[in-house]
Amino acid sequence: DAGVTQSPTHLIKTRGQQVTLRCSPKSGHDTVSWYQQALGQGPQFIFQYYEEEERQRGNFPDRFSGHQFPNYSSELNVNALLLGDSALYLCASSLGGRSPLHFGNGTRLTVT
Amino acid sequence: KQEVTQIPAALSVPEGENLVLNCSFTDSAIYNLQWFRQDPGKGLTSLLLIQSSQREQTSGRLNASLDKSSGRSTLYIAASQPGDSATYLCAVYTGANSKLTFGKGITLSVRP
Repeated sequence: DAGVTQSPTHLIKTRGQQVTLRCSPKSGHDTVSWYQQALGQGPQFIFQYYEEEERQRGNFPDRFSGHQFPNYSSELNVNALLLGDSALYLCASSLGGRSPLHFGNGTRLTVT
Repeated sequence: KQEVTQIPAALSVPEGENLVLNCSFTDSAIYNLQWFRQDPGKGLTSLLLIQSSQREQTSGRLNASLDKSSGRSTLYIAASQPGDSATYLCAVYTGANSKLTFGKGITLSVRP
């Protein structure tokens, strides 16, 4: 049974560029949440998708957007990248909104 | 606004020692509390989940307790091993929110 998979594992972008990160949830899960984890910090909630709609959003600017597809997979898009966007981006899936989260290994984004 | 604190930020112990990791939160209206383990550069692995109505959960050498009224949780690790070296994070769901609020984590090093 495949767990949560994220791609790519590492990414290097230049300031001002745009990036798309991808996530496939654990089999049977219908909800996908995205978190940003800066070095030495705990993960910060970006947003959550359920039934292809953004259900809840954290304190992140509109440069961060997402999408959920009918097969429950999800994308995180970040526009106009800033140096401060460098972080580990974690995707987590669950069955419903507040059930236990299963995390992927993350995508390490470096903005130069 | 929920805030989760984990102190100290780092801990080093000799192999075989029993140890306690602390977590405190400001808003006692939590739905549940989870403890996670994170290895360097990796995603999060769920260790234990305690529902708000429960006082503790156990898995192998790990025991987590919850005192909702005082806003505290502890993770007890018995007979620590070098393989336990990792960062341990606690996180809570609060109220109607579907987002987890994380602490910054405690980086544990178990010396052989």
